[in-house]
Amino acid sequence: IAGITQAPTSQILAAGRRMTLRCTQDMRHNAMYWYRQDLGLGLRLIHYSNTAGTTGKGEVPDGYSVSRANTDDFPLTLASAVPSQTSVYFCASSEASGSFEQFFGPGTRLTVL
Amino acid sequence: GQNIDQPTEMTATEGAIVQINCTYQTSGFNGLFWYQQHAGEAPTFLSYNVLDGLEEKGRFSSFLSRSKGYSYLLLKELQMKDSASYLCAVRDGDYKLSFGAGTTVTVRA
Repeated sequence: IAGITQAPTSQILAAGRRMTLRCTQDMRHNAMYWYRQDLGLGLRLIHYSNTAGTTGKGEVPDGYSVSRANTDDFPLTLASAVPSQTSVYFCASSEASGSFEQFFGPGTRLTVL
Repeated sequence: GQNIDQPTEMTATEGAIVQINCTYQTSGFNGLFWYQQHAGEAPTFLSYNVLDGLEEKGRFSSFLSRSKGYSYLLLKELQMKDSASYLCAVRDGDYKLSFGAGTTVTVRA
């Protein structure tokens, strides 16, 4: 693994189904983030984690949950998907010092029907 | 809340210069980032300003005025590969970034 990986690359999901988007980083970054990107709205923060064992809510957290059991993994779960959650989801990570530059994963394109 | 504004679209000719402006009103300020995002790809880091002034990195430069809540990204000697979206983002206090909606730059031959 080099950098940040996300899985799946894309997914079509029926409304009401549960879905977990996976994110793994190998840079030993303390902080990790989940964003959604929608046309005309830019990147919006869903949830974040400053360090393993802690999480926080971002700008648009409703309908999503996260966990941070260890440094490397930060899964995002949609408990009961709705069509408005159709989006491209990016995971990112950063050091907990310096500029806090964020490195992004390749994204997951999710369609909820 | 956070308010970060940048133009939606800009078009320029290959070899020219384009300046992308970003204005922000945020509850705190701990640095401003510019990211480049090609269609269908992840954002990649371009520049970071935390103090007033100009930061130059090859063909790209970024400027910051904290008192005016203003930044710009200057792209010189435009190439076709510079066609992308450019995202302005502000770190307001801790680890989190707030992003503008992005500026799509189209470079024409």
